[in-house]
Amino acid sequence: DAGVTQSPTHLIKTRGQQVTLRCSPISGHKSVSWYQQVLGQGPQFIFQYYEKEERGRGNFPDRFSARQFPNYSSELNVNALLLGDSALYLCASSLTGWGPEEQYFGPGTRLTVT
Amino acid sequence: ELKVEQNPLFLSMQEGKNYTIYCNYSTTSDRLYWYRQDPGKSLESLFVLLSNGAVKQEGRLMASLDTKARLSTLHITAAVHDLSATYFCAVDRSNFGNEKLTFGTGTRLTIIP
Repeated sequence: DAGVTQSPTHLIKTRGQQVTLRCSPISGHKSVSWYQQVLGQGPQFIFQYYEKEERGRGNFPDRFSARQFPNYSSELNVNALLLGDSALYLCASSLTGWGPEEQYFGPGTRLTVT
Repeated sequence: ELKVEQNPLFLSMQEGKNYTIYCNYSTTSDRLYWYRQDPGKSLESLFVLLSNGAVKQEGRLMASLDTKARLSTLHITAAVHDLSATYFCAVDRSNFGNEKLTFGTGTRLTIIP
């Protein structure tokens, strides 16, 4: 069975540009979460979606937005990129995102802002 | 605000030795996860601990959870080079209505032959 997939693998953008990252959850999983991992730190929660609705949002500016589609895939958008947005962006999927469920992480998208 | 701290942050140990990584958290939770991350890679799930006193073992790794002390440990027995990686604990407060995972600072483990 396919795991969580993310695209693209790597991305280089310039300050001020906009970027869209994509995630496909494990088949049957309805919840997708996004995390940002800056080099040398632990992942930080950005968003969680379940059944196309935002269930949770971390402490990130409004430049960050996301959505979930009817097939449960998800996109993370970041506007007006800053150098500090350079990070590994991880997507995780789980069945419902509720209760003691394990979250399965994708390979990540490495974003570099120059 | 939930804080999750790991120590040590860096650990260099010889093959064959035993050591323990500690994960302390600041707010009540009875769900804790351990992940492994190799350089440039994603997170690999190691253990899911769901109750006070939970202990799980896989190969040379053993994890435990003490919810009263708000402490989890990851014990490494007779370390081998393949265990070199960064290890994260993550606290889950989904039973308190907060579905996100809060990760620790990570422990970078290097096993020296």
